[in-house]
Amino acid sequence: GAGVSQSPRYKVAKRGQDVALRCDPISGHVSLFWYQQALGQGPEFLTYFQNEAQLDKSGLPSDRFFAERPEGSVSTLKIQRTQQEDSAVYLCASSPKLLAGGYNEQFFGPGTRLTVL
Amino acid sequence: AQSVSQHNHHVILSEAASLELGCNYSYGGTVNLFWYVQYPGQHLQLLLKYFSGDPLVKGIKGFEAEFIKSKFSFNLRKPSVQWSDTAEYFCAVTFGSSNTGKLIFGQGTTLQVKP
Repeated sequence: GAGVSQSPRYKVAKRGQDVALRCDPISGHVSLFWYQQALGQGPEFLTYFQNEAQLDKSGLPSDRFFAERPEGSVSTLKIQRTQQEDSAVYLCASSPKLLAGGYNEQFFGPGTRLTVL
Repeated sequence: AQSVSQHNHHVILSEAASLELGCNYSYGGTVNLFWYVQYPGQHLQLLLKYFSGDPLVKGIKGFEAEFIKSKFSFNLRKPSVQWSDTAEYFCAVTFGSSNTGKLIFGQGTTLQVKP
């Protein structure tokens, strides 16, 4: 497809389980972002990749969160030992090469809604 | 800390009413400004953006926004709303100090348009 896709769309996990969320960006997009959106809030930045390099992981809330993009295309966000506070929608966005001045438009996927029981 | 605030959390309007949603950010340097919309059951979509130049920008579906640097504001407007504008609206900013282009979002405004 032409857009960003994410899977699964919904995930229910028991507290303590590990989960893996997948993002397929738009083909050829260099930049990839992960955001976390809690209920009733705006998305919050988690991490950023330029190709396979993770250049910014300042938003990851704890060392239980880990993201990778080994071949510069598909990315996986992994959460270990999930907690109830991890319940949120996890959004992936991709964009073409970063323009001088710091920006290019980000295209968002539909998100994965994670519920931790 | 760099932040974005949206003043209206929930707005209810009748069709044909005018809309203005407030957005302010806390940073005196270079910014890039955006409004995203999320229709029910759909993903975030870009409504409009401001990088430089004319501070009055026009986006899709009749929306526009005005960047007022002195007020650190980027309010969204539409002269006459339609029922189909019912959605959640997010203001977002990239700050010039960022070299990644990460977006800082406001908390969102839910717009409900009554037919």
